[in-house]
Formats: sequence, C-alpha cells, structure tokens
Amino acid sequence: AQSVTQPDIHITVSEGASLELRCNYSYGATPYLFWYVQSPGQGLQLLLKYFSGDTLVQGIKGFEAEFKRSQSSFNLRKPSVHWSDAAEYFCAVGAGTASKLTFGTGTRLQVTL
Amino acid sequence: SAVISQKPSRDICQRGTSLTIQCQVDSQVTMMFWYRQQPGQSLTLIATANQGSEATYESGFVIDKFPISRPNLTFSTLTVSNMSPEDSSIYLCSATGISNYGYTFGSGTRLTVV
Repeated sequence: AQSVTQPDIHITVSEGASLELRCNYSYGATPYLFWYVQSPGQGLQLLLKYFSGDTLVQGIKGFEAEFKRSQSSFNLRKPSVHWSDAAEYFCAVGAGTASKLTFGTGTRLQVTL
Repeated sequence: SAVISQKPSRDICQRGTSLTIQCQVDSQVTMMFWYRQQPGQSLTLIATANQGSEATYESGFVIDKFPISRPNLTFSTLTVSNMSPEDSSIYLCSATGISNYGYTFGSGTRLTVV
C-alpha cells in the first residue's frame, strides 16, 4: 500500500527566507507525486507534479521539488518565501494517472514579517 | 485545465438528516473521487465514483452512509446520510484523466452537523 509522511507538522519562516518542506513516500513502483497547497477555507491547488523525466520539477508560484528515488523523498522548496505563501501544504502519492491519491498529514507554513 | 464546480459550498444540518453534495466537471474525465477532510486533518479518500456502476469504497466507509452516484462522465454526487456531529468535515471531490494528468479538486463543501 502507498503512504506519505510529512515529518513537519508546523514550520515558521521569515519572509524572504528559503523554505524546504519534507515529504517521504512509500510505494513499490515508480510513484506519481504531487504537492498541493490549501489556504484557509479554500480547496486544494496543485503546485507541481512528478511522473517521470527530470527529477527537478518546477511548479507555480516559484516552487520546485526534487524527486530522489534513493531517499524516497519529494521535498518542496522555494528560495524566497512571501507572506502570501502561508497555508497548509500537502504531499500526495498515486500509482498512476487515473488512480486514487494518498495524502500526507500536511505541513502548516507560517510566515513572519 | 478542467474546472470543478462543487455545491453547496457550506451547510449547517440537523443531526439525523441527509445532505447531497454535487460535483460538476466542465469536461469529460476518467476518474472522480470523494475525500473527507476532518477539522485540522489531512484528506481521506471515501470512495472512487465509477461511471455507470457502484462506487468503490475505502475501508471504513460504507454505501449506506455515503451513497455515491455518477450518471455520466462529468457529474457525481455524494450523500452524507443520517448525519451526526462526527460527520462535520470538509468534503471534496476530485477528478482526473484530464490530458495533462492532473488531479483537479473542487472548492469543497464545509458541513457542520448540529
């Protein structure tokens, strides 16, 4: 069975600082990996996804993520955080393009000014 | 990318009643899913909505409590039956099979049971 672990429940960073959110997955084959962001009272917005190819994936809002098979990780990064990035971030794994997604428990990002 | 319209966006319901949530996609999709997000928690898959056949439920979820319909490739409903306060959650639908292999989510239904 597939699973996702997000070790950090809550992270606080200063505006302008760099950010890295951790995600570790468990899946027997090549995973389909996603990062979503959820602002308070909102639905989920896709930041980026990885299916195959280049292991460094660029997403929206200046985010990127790197797939590391040897570490079973798909960490999300941003070089300079903006106050509007404060939200809940979810990592998810799927088995294919039309399979169900399994979500991590989420990381709540707080940005201080 | 496809857009999912989900309604109602929120509702307050009496215990023992039922609520039906609708999800409409603006293009044909392969798969549709229903998730529950309990307060302060992550998303848990309730079921996969299959077009023209019975939904596939995850462990811990049953059809009598969460009946699902999907009459065509762009529309699905989830009913939360005989509600109790423990059913207070955000319910989200999702769709995939879109050409860019993305999973799109509806904006969610925030349900409060009193």
